Amino acid sequence: VQLLESGGEWVQPGGSLRLSCGVSGFPFRDTGMTWARQAPGKGLEWVSGISKSGDETYYADSVKGRVTISRDSSKNTLYLEINSLRAEDTGLYYCAKGWKYPDSWGQGTLVIVSS
Amino acid sequence: EIVMTQSPATLSVSPGEGATLSCRASQNIASNLVWYLQRPGQPLRRLVFHASSRSADIPARFTGSGSGTEYTLTITSLQSEDFGIYYCQQYKDWPLTFGGGTKVEIK
Repeated sequence: VQLLESGGEWVQPGGSLRLSCGVSGFPFRDTGMTWARQAPGKGLEWVSGISKSGDETYYADSVKGRVTISRDSSKNTLYLEINSLRAEDTGLYYCAKGWKYPDSWGQGTLVIVSS
Repeated sequence: EIVMTQSPATLSVSPGEGATLSCRASQNIASNLVWYLQRPGQPLRRLVFHASSRSADIPARFTGSGSGTEYTLTITSLQSEDFGIYYCQQYKDWPLTFGGGTKVEIK
């Protein structure tokens, strides 16, 4: 199982980003997926989950309305689009295999929101 | 949302000793609890799910227990690779939520 996040970068407050997570080694179309994040020096925060079909999505209150999770089974890729970025969105963003109790996690991609 | 509280925040343990980590939920989560270990430079590792089911390749020295709102992860005879930060997470209700973590450090 491999999960490789990308798309993280420095962005100004109010900006937008789309994070990607390329996966291999398991049947992506049959697996729910998760995004979580970790601010520098802080604990883990669950961000969003999506069902295997993509018809169910859930979000943390802290990002609801600003974040969209999606998936493309033809590309074996999970996405997280974040709008209206705030300083408190700064951190490492992880994708994970499974949508309630994920069993495999990526190494993360770093998002820095700063002017 | 369900609030998860872990204690203690830090635990100092000598290699070979045991450790007991606690996780409390703000409401009954009916054993919908998972434990993870985070170590620097390594992906998050799932240890236990459904409160007491050990994940594949997890040594028997890790034991999860509990019910309702109170859960425990017990580690017997800590090895060097067991030091790090432990997180619990509930999956009873959306949004899912993590506890604040317990850092297990070498004494």
